[in-house]
Amino acid sequence: TQTVSQSDAHVTVFEGDSVELRCNYSYGGSIYLSWYIQHHGHGLQFLLKYYSGNPVVQGVNGFEAEFSKSDSSFHLRKASVHWSDSAVYFCAVSAHTNTGKLTFGDGTVLTVKP
Amino acid sequence: EAAVTQSPRNKVTVTGGNVTLSCRQTNSHNYMYWYRQDTGHGLRLIHYSYGAGNLQIGDVPDGYKATRTTQEDFFLLLELASPSQTSLYFCASSEGTGGDTQYFGPGTRLLVL
Repeated sequence: TQTVSQSDAHVTVFEGDSVELRCNYSYGGSIYLSWYIQHHGHGLQFLLKYYSGNPVVQGVNGFEAEFSKSDSSFHLRKASVHWSDSAVYFCAVSAHTNTGKLTFGDGTVLTVKP
Repeated sequence: EAAVTQSPRNKVTVTGGNVTLSCRQTNSHNYMYWYRQDTGHGLRLIHYSYGAGNLQIGDVPDGYKATRTTQEDFFLLLELASPSQTSLYFCASSEGTGGDTQYFGPGTRLLVL
């Protein structure tokens, strides 16, 4: 069974700041790691994912995430946030099987102040 | 761009009521999923399916039935709705192999009085 932990329920930054949203997982086998974003009143949208290779993966809108096997982490980062980045961010884990089944963390609410 | 639609967008029912939530995807995806989203719990998988006529149990299936009538259509059924099923419900679809991107619908907000 895979689990996902997002330790920060809320993060508040100012426009132009950098931000890191944390994600830790536990699973004994091969996994996919991904991040999704949910703007208020909308469904989730895919940001990026990692399975193997370069531990730093690039996503849309300047987001990137770095996988660390030693820390069991997959933190999301952005160098300079915009007010439109205000949203809820979900980290998700999928085992390397053919079900496509995702396990989500509880989400981090990112608020970007002008 | 993947397209997943849900209906209704909002629904109010009473305890013991019968509710059907509908989901349609137009991308010929094999897999479809039903999640519920509650504050403090993120998204939790109720049921999923890998094709017409197939149904797999998710992580929180109690009180829910689902049916996949075609590759496009996936329904969630609450036959005896309870207040604990008040939630925001999302449908999603994907090609299905591990790690595939899931495409989400806009959600259905259900209130059980």
